[in-house]
Amino acid sequence: NAGVTQTPKFQVLKTGQSMTLQCAQDMNHEYMSWYRQDPGMGLRLIHYSVGAGITDQGEVPNGYNVSRSTTEDFPLRLLSAAPSQTSVYFCASRAQSNTGELFFGEGSRLTVL
Amino acid sequence: GENVEQHPSTLSVQEGDSAVIKCTYSDSASNYFPWYKQELGKRPQLIIDIRSNVGEKKDQRIAVTLNKTAKHFSLHITETQPEDSAVYFCAPTQGVWSGGGADGLTFGKGTHLIIQP
Repeated sequence: NAGVTQTPKFQVLKTGQSMTLQCAQDMNHEYMSWYRQDPGMGLRLIHYSVGAGITDQGEVPNGYNVSRSTTEDFPLRLLSAAPSQTSVYFCASRAQSNTGELFFGEGSRLTVL
Repeated sequence: GENVEQHPSTLSVQEGDSAVIKCTYSDSASNYFPWYKQELGKRPQLIIDIRSNVGEKKDQRIAVTLNKTAKHFSLHITETQPEDSAVYFCAPTQGVWSGGGADGLTFGKGTHLIIQP
């Protein structure tokens, strides 16, 4: 199993550009989520999904869109990047059983100029 | 939603000494209490967790203790080593086995543990 795979690992954007961060998991996890990590702010939830076709907003959803067309994939879209979206982004998944341990991807470092 | 606080935000200890990080939470429905470790430039990973029906759990040099009445739980690391240097996050929640997991985890802001040689 590859676990949770995120691409790209690094990206530089100009203000106003759009891009998609990809996330895929091969553990058949129902739950997937996106977090952003900023210095001193911990991990803040952007969007999450409890299954294909179902998404919901987290703590900081503004400026981001998500969709969940398959169990495996959960892309995060920035429609018009802003410097405030400079951050490290983590995708995480878990099974809807047992405790719910989160499995994280390696992270994507995004810089918006 | 859950209000989570971690203390201290930074902890510096001598190698070989013990370290304790405390996490307080607000939601009395929380019954699952994990700790995640994030080394510099790496992803967070679960290192230990506890359910509310247990007061303490140990795994070699790390342990977690829970005070459900006071709504706090703590991570204890004994005989600290250089590889313990990392940021540690707590994320109290309602476990999926008890009907939780319908939304996302709320993480504490993290504790930066520094092991001095």
